[in-house]
Formats: sequence, structure tokens, C-alpha cells
Amino acid sequence: EDQVTQSPEALRLQEGESSSLNCSYTVSGLRGLFWYRQDPGKGPEFLFTLYSAGEEKEKERLKATLTKKESFLHITAPKPEDSATYLCAVAPRSNYQLIWGAGTKLIIKP
Amino acid sequence: GAGVSQSPSNKVTEKGKDVELRCDPISGHTALYWYRQSLGQGLEFLIYFQGNSAPDKSGLPSDRFSAERTGGSVSTLTIQRTQQEDSAVYLCASSLAVTDTQYFGPGTRLTVL
Repeated sequence: EDQVTQSPEALRLQEGESSSLNCSYTVSGLRGLFWYRQDPGKGPEFLFTLYSAGEEKEKERLKATLTKKESFLHITAPKPEDSATYLCAVAPRSNYQLIWGAGTKLIIKP
Repeated sequence: GAGVSQSPSNKVTEKGKDVELRCDPISGHTALYWYRQSLGQGLEFLIYFQGNSAPDKSGLPSDRFSAERTGGSVSTLTIQRTQQEDSAVYLCASSLAVTDTQYFGPGTRLTVL
């Protein structure tokens, strides 16, 4: 069964303290893996798409990486404005529907 | 350019009433999706439209839920005889084509009293 698991559920960091969020997936053929950011009361905002193992993408303090079993969202020297819920979704080859993780709530304390 | 818009942003209704939620996708996007997000939960797929093809309604939780898309653009999600368990945020997304990145609207927060 296709499945996406995100960990941890919540992560509290001090401003400037780097860390990583994990997205583990099981899918019969990966078409793509998506990362989104969701602020309270808003819809998810697209961050990255990764298509194949070894691929990396960066945007400001965020870097997403992909292996055959998981993806990491690395956050370097985070700021309070990086606080949000980060969602991971997988697109299997066999189906156009995305499979969503439950998200990681990231809190950056000043 | 304009993103996905949804209205209303908030809707409070009484149990048993019908509600309509509206989604305006990004211009030119042929694919449109409806999701439901309950507090602290991931996104639950409801229904998908692609161009003029028959919609995929496989995610609709009951026959009280229905959706239509007029002219390949605006979509309306209708919930009949609302129940308290229908309370959630309803999100709409659109994409250029079925395999492309989905872009989300701000959502409609539905509260059923």
C-alpha cells in the first residue's frame, strides 16, 4: 500500500539552530515528491518538486533531498518566520492522486 | 498573476443545512482538485476534474457531497444536510495538467453547529 510518513510531528528549534524534517514513503513507482509549507489559516504553498534519487533543490534556508525511500527538508539557520507546518506529498506513477503525509509543525523561537 | 481563490473564507452553518463552497482556479489550469483538512490531519482527497472528462468522485465521503465544474473553470462543492463531522477546512487546488504541481487556494473553513 502506498504510504507517506512524516517525522517528527512537531519540532521546536531556537533561531539559528539547523535541523532536518523527514518524509518516508512507500510507493510502487515514484513520479515525483512535493514539499509544501502551510501557515495557520492558509492553503499549502508549493516549495519543491523532486523527481529522482540524488536530486537536491534549494530555496533560501531550505534544501530538499531525495533518496529511494525518503526525503529530507534541511533548514539552515532558521528564523522565526520559517515557523509553519511542512507537508510532504508523493505522486505514484500508477495514479494521479497525491498521497499526503500528516505534516511536521516547525516552531522557531527567537 | 492571480492565484486560486475560494469563497467564502469562513462559513458557519447549522446542522442539516446545505452549503456551497466556490473555487476559482488559476486561469488556463485544466485540472482542479478538492481536499478536506481536519484539524491536525493531512489532506483528504475528495474529487478531481480534468478538462471535459468525467470527474473522479472516488474520495467523496458520502452522497451528501457533490461538486461540479462549469465551463472548465469555476467549481462548486455542495454539502447537503450538513453534519458536525463535516466541520473542516475545504481546500481547492489547480494544476496546468494532471501531472503538474498543484497550487492551492486559501481554503474555506466550515463550521457546523
